[in-house]
This record gives sequence, C-alpha cells and structure tokens, in this order.
Amino acid sequence: GAVVSQHPSRVICKSGTSVKIECRSLDFQATTMFWYRQFPKKSLMLMATSNEGSKATYEQGVEKDKFLINHASLTLSTLTVTSAHPEDSSFYICSAADGAYGYTFGSGTRLTVV
Amino acid sequence: KNEVEQSPQNLTAQEGEFITINCSYSVGISALHWLQQHPGGGIVSLFMLSSGKKKHGRLIATINIQEKHSSLHITASHPRDSAVYICAGRAIFGNEKLTFGTGTRLTIIP
Repeated sequence: GAVVSQHPSRVICKSGTSVKIECRSLDFQATTMFWYRQFPKKSLMLMATSNEGSKATYEQGVEKDKFLINHASLTLSTLTVTSAHPEDSSFYICSAADGAYGYTFGSGTRLTVV
Repeated sequence: KNEVEQSPQNLTAQEGEFITINCSYSVGISALHWLQQHPGGGIVSLFMLSSGKKKHGRLIATINIQEKHSSLHITASHPRDSAVYICAGRAIFGNEKLTFGTGTRLTIIP
C-alpha cells in the first residue's frame, strides 16, 4: 500500500530556533499534502493544505509566517516551524490523498521546544 | 455541535468481546474514513467507505448514507486492538479535506 515517510519522529529544540519536518510519499505521487497538529487527547487539527508547485492554503488562525510549508515536488512536502516557542510543542502529522488508498498518514513528529 | 460525532468517547472491554463504535455526521460527504491511532501517534487508515459495508480481518465497517451514520465493529477483540479510533468525513466539494470526529479511545483488557 501507499507509504508516507515522516521525519524526524521526535525533535527537541531550543526556543527561538527553527525545525523542519519532512514528509515523503514513497510509492505514489502526492499532489496534495495535509499538515495537522494534535494536542494531547484531542483530535487532529488541520493546519494547512499544500499543493505541489503552489502556495499552501492555511486554516484560519494558523500563522503562515510561523509555519512555513513547501511542496516542491510530488513526493516531498516540508513544514518548518520558525522561531519555535514552547507553546509550539505538539504532535505534528502529515497525510497525503491518493485516489487508490484514500489517505495515507505519516508517523508523526513529536516536537518539544525547551 | 461537531459536524462529525463519535460515540462512545471511551470504551473498555474484555478480550474477546464484540466492539461497536458509532459515527454520525451532519454534513454531506463523498466518503467516510475510519482511522486507527496507536499510543505512539501513528495513524493507519482502516477503511474508506462511500456505501454499504467493508470487511478486513476482524474489522467491519458499515455506512448508512440516508441516516448519515457509520459503525466500526471489531470481532473477537484483542489487547492489541487498544487504540484511538477516529472517523472522518471527506468533503464532497473542494480540496479533499477531512472533518474528524473526536475519536474513541478503546482499551481491551486481557
């Protein structure tokens, strides 16, 4: 089946630094990639939708300058958390839509900002 | 009121029991997805349904489009089935966004 590889799985960074999270579709082309944030014991919250070769569409309340999304190819989308603060600590997960398999999710990235 | 609602929120059962998780939605959808999230956080897509019933191993998913209701059943439940189960509706129009239910935390006791 379809696989989305997400890295890193865990990252600890200092306040004020930037962190890049990568999602790669390994055996299919992901025209659209979704980025979610999940707080403890809560459901997934859509942050933005990225389309290959165009600007990402951000959900209301999500700062696009803080959460930079790049979808430069059909197999790679990245989320960069810029100038991270402790309140950015969360679980971030991507998913790609594929007609054959529905949605395939990455394994998630647990970000801790200290 | 959430557009996609699940019940129960938490469910604890003994190993071997038949499990049912329900999902109701108030919006038009093109498909209904059932997802499984394990404690580590990874999410696996279990089913994508637009009508009828699907079965995979011990898992069965059904959907009633007229009643806007779907159920996920687990037969002969096992402790490894312990996870959060999430239903999500895919929008009819637009950019393939999913609207998520709040999840059902299932714990199977040996």
